[in-house]
Amino acid sequence: DAGVIQSPRHEVTEMGQEVTLRCKPISGHDYLFWYRQTMMRGLELLIYFNNNVPIDDSGMPEDRFSAKMPNASFSTLKIQPSEPRDSAVYFCASSSPGQVNTEAFFGQGTRLTVV
Amino acid sequence: DQQVKQNSPSLSVQEGRISILNCDYTNSMFDYFLWYKKYPAEGPTFLISISSIKDKNEDGRFTVFLNKSAKHLSLHIVPSQPGDSAVYFCAASPNYGGSQGNLIFGKGTKLSVKP
Repeated sequence: DAGVIQSPRHEVTEMGQEVTLRCKPISGHDYLFWYRQTMMRGLELLIYFNNNVPIDDSGMPEDRFSAKMPNASFSTLKIQPSEPRDSAVYFCASSSPGQVNTEAFFGQGTRLTVV
Repeated sequence: DQQVKQNSPSLSVQEGRISILNCDYTNSMFDYFLWYKKYPAEGPTFLISISSIKDKNEDGRFTVFLNKSAKHLSLHIVPSQPGDSAVYFCAASPNYGGSQGNLIFGKGTKLSVKP
C-alpha cells in the first residue's frame, strides 16, 4: 500500500485566493483526520470523518475552512478566502478501528504558504 | 488550554546514552497514549504506544513508561543513535480499540543525538 497520499506537497498562494488540499487515505481505513501543524500550536486536529461522515469539526478555525469526503478514497480541505495566518503544514491521516492499537497513519503533508 | 504537554521543546544527547522524553496530560479520561516520530518534510510515524492498564511497554530500544497518578508518561531510548534525531510527539486518546475518536498531540520535543 502506498500509504496516505496528499497533494500538493507545496502550495504558495496569494491572500484571498481559494486553496484546496487533497487526501487519499489508506484503502480500507474508515477514519480520516485533517491536522494542522504550526510552531505556536503544534499539531491540531481540524476535523475527522468516520465512514465519510464528519464526526467532529470543532477544530476548524473559521467558516473559511471546509472539508468534504465524497467517498471512501478521497477528501478535500478547502480554505476560502485564504489568509497569511493560514500558512502551516496540513496533514491528513487515516486509521482503522478494531486493530490492537489505534495508531493513525499520516501523509507527508502539504506545506501551505499564503503571501 | 493544552491537554497534552511536552514542556521541553528540545533535547540534546550523546550517541550511546539514554534519551528521556517527557509528556504530561491533564484529562483523566485519556486511556491510550502514543509516541510519534517526525523527520523534516515527512509526516509523523507511529513509534510505540501504551494503554492505561499498563505502566510499561517496551519495543527494542524504545520503552514507554506511564504514571497514571501523576498523569505523566515518558519515552526512553537506549542506546540513542544519530538516526533517532527527530521531533517526537506525545499523543493521547480517550478510546482504546473500537471507535477511534481522535488523538490529542503535544507540541513535540526535538531530539538531537550527537555522534
